[in-house]
Amino acid sequence: AQKVTQAQTEISVVEKEDVTLDCVYETRDTTYYLFWYKQPPSGELVFLIRRNSFDEQNEISGRYSWNFQKSTSSFNFTITASQVVDSAVYFCALVDETGANNLFFGTGTRLTVIP
Amino acid sequence: EAGVTQSPTHLIKTRGQQATLRCSPISGHTSVYWYQQALGLGLQFLLWYDEGEERNRGNFPPRFSGRQFPNYSSELNVNALELEDSALYLCASINFRIRYFGAGTRLSVL
Repeated sequence: AQKVTQAQTEISVVEKEDVTLDCVYETRDTTYYLFWYKQPPSGELVFLIRRNSFDEQNEISGRYSWNFQKSTSSFNFTITASQVVDSAVYFCALVDETGANNLFFGTGTRLTVIP
Repeated sequence: EAGVTQSPTHLIKTRGQQATLRCSPISGHTSVYWYQQALGLGLQFLLWYDEGEERNRGNFPPRFSGRQFPNYSSELNVNALELEDSALYLCASINFRIRYFGAGTRLSVL
């Protein structure tokens, strides 16, 4: 069965601090895709990154970076020098190749950046 | 390029009524997914439409239904509304396995 766990329910940091959001996943498939989405107070889910199971390269995009480790089934997300605009709920998600192509979401981590 | 659009933004209904939510995918996308985000329950998969056909549904009762039109837009219908149907309903279209979401319809059942 597929499962995504985001153990951190809420995190608060002071502006300019770095913060890491944890994501641990479970799947029996060898081919799968991992995602991070941001949900600001407006409600829309904003796509941040997709990573497939064969690509363990870490990625950096501006202040955002992602660490994918198959050995620990983790796909962690780090925001460097956080800003108030980073305040949102962040979701990690998984889709695999079995059956219905469902996207399984974690329960989300609410990040609050304090000015 | 326009993103996924949903209407209405907000919808207020009373228990027992029917609600209709609409979604237009990104131009060129043929699949539409519906998700429910209820308070405390996270994001739950509702329905998946592709090329006009329902391909899969989540663990929801039959009073949740929908359809996809020839132009790939989609409608979600919720019959016999219950208080616990109050939630944000999100629609997404897909490209290269990436789901692009709309801003959602917030349904309140009184």
